[in-house]
Amino acid sequence: DTAVSQTPKYLVTQMGNDKSIKCEQNLGHDTMYWYKQDSKKFLKIMFSYNNKELIINETVPNRFSPKSPDKAHLNLHINSLELGDSAVYFCASSPGDRGRTDTQYFGPGTRLTVL
Amino acid sequence: AQTVTQSQPEMSVQEAETVTLSCTYDTSESNYYLFWYKQPPSRQMILVIRQEAYKQQNATENRFSVNFQKAAKSFSLKISDSQLGDTAMYFCALRGSNYKLTFGKGTLLTVNP
Repeated sequence: DTAVSQTPKYLVTQMGNDKSIKCEQNLGHDTMYWYKQDSKKFLKIMFSYNNKELIINETVPNRFSPKSPDKAHLNLHINSLELGDSAVYFCASSPGDRGRTDTQYFGPGTRLTVL
Repeated sequence: AQTVTQSQPEMSVQEAETVTLSCTYDTSESNYYLFWYKQPPSRQMILVIRQEAYKQQNATENRFSVNFQKAAKSFSLKISDSQLGDTAMYFCALRGSNYKLTFGKGTLLTVNP
């Protein structure tokens, strides 16, 4: 029944480690996104894929690399984690039709804590 | 560039009363879409209501309605008959011709019993 799912929901790790967050959607959507919500609750887009093609790549450190094996999955890999990477990361998906409302639906979020 | 401004960091309302959350935006595009999302303490981002800019009629969803003033670039959210479960952070968001959602900084709404 879950529309957009993320694993894990919580991730605690040491500085310098490499970690991945997985996202899956069962809505049949063509477009998926990663957002970062900082400690002040501000949400900012990081990446977006449409049918496995990268279409949005905001100013994000190269340590962050998204990977889309198919249009239902969008994973986020983070190398050499830093304290400032601590945040909640949200995955979202949308039908991908630019000409219509194209509402984005969000996953439950992954709270990443870097110690 | 798109910007979204929510000027009320926090608001409170008594249960059963009505409250209005403000949002203004700026975009150079003529065709765009506006959204309100809520984020309760559970952290889940939940769509509340959406509005297509080309539609003059204000969107409504049960107790939630918007006042969309295109010329003023204003998109406020009215919650009627407030319930305790409405306590959440509310985000106004704008999407233009690309897929990117630009969010405001949010308004923390507390509904008091």
